[in-house]
Amino acid sequence: DAGITQSPRYKITETGRQVTLMCHQTWSHSYMFWYRQDLGHGLRLIYYSAAADITDKGEVPDGYVVSRSKTENFPLTLESATRSQTSVYFCASSESARGPYGYTFGSGTRLTVV
Amino acid sequence: AQSVTQPDIHITVSEGASLELRCNYSYGATPYLFWYVQSPGQGLQLLLKYFSGDTLVQGIKGFEAEFKRSQSSFNLRKPSVHWSDAAEYFCAVGAHDGGSQGNLIFGKGTKLSVKP
Repeated sequence: DAGITQSPRYKITETGRQVTLMCHQTWSHSYMFWYRQDLGHGLRLIYYSAAADITDKGEVPDGYVVSRSKTENFPLTLESATRSQTSVYFCASSESARGPYGYTFGSGTRLTVV
Repeated sequence: AQSVTQPDIHITVSEGASLELRCNYSYGATPYLFWYVQSPGQGLQLLLKYFSGDTLVQGIKGFEAEFKRSQSSFNLRKPSVHWSDAAEYFCAVGAHDGGSQGNLIFGKGTKLSVKP
């Protein structure tokens, strides 16, 4: 299917466990982004990637790791999950950051850390 | 650095009434401006965008927005709201040069409730 897909849609994990959220896009967009959405905070950028093997920190990167070995995939890993990382996570992609391209968002992953 | 303010956290309107959601931005030059909508349990969907030319922009679902440089605003409007418009709306600004992080800056959102 064309588009941007996130998996899983829902995840419950225990404190201290490692968990990976997947993001896959079919457009060969250069830019990909990870956001978390929390009540009262809106969308906060965790990491972004300008191309394969190029990643950079956003506003709230602590406790997260990303990789981008292929253009179409941009997984987000919580190395040791904490309750404060309970959130809804959105992946997005864009043709370019330099232009009126906007972003296309996935449907999100709701993560609960217990 | 650019920033976005959505002054209204929550707005309630009656079905059939007109709607205006406010968005103010801070940026030194003409920015790219976007409105997104997020239905419950869904990701964000692009409603419309402004990048140059006509300051009144038409989008999907009957929405429009007007760029006013003098007021640094990009307010979203709809003449007659439908119950299905109940959602959260996000304004976003992007810099022409890609910004310090090469990405959009989002406002905190305005939640729209529609009463019958």
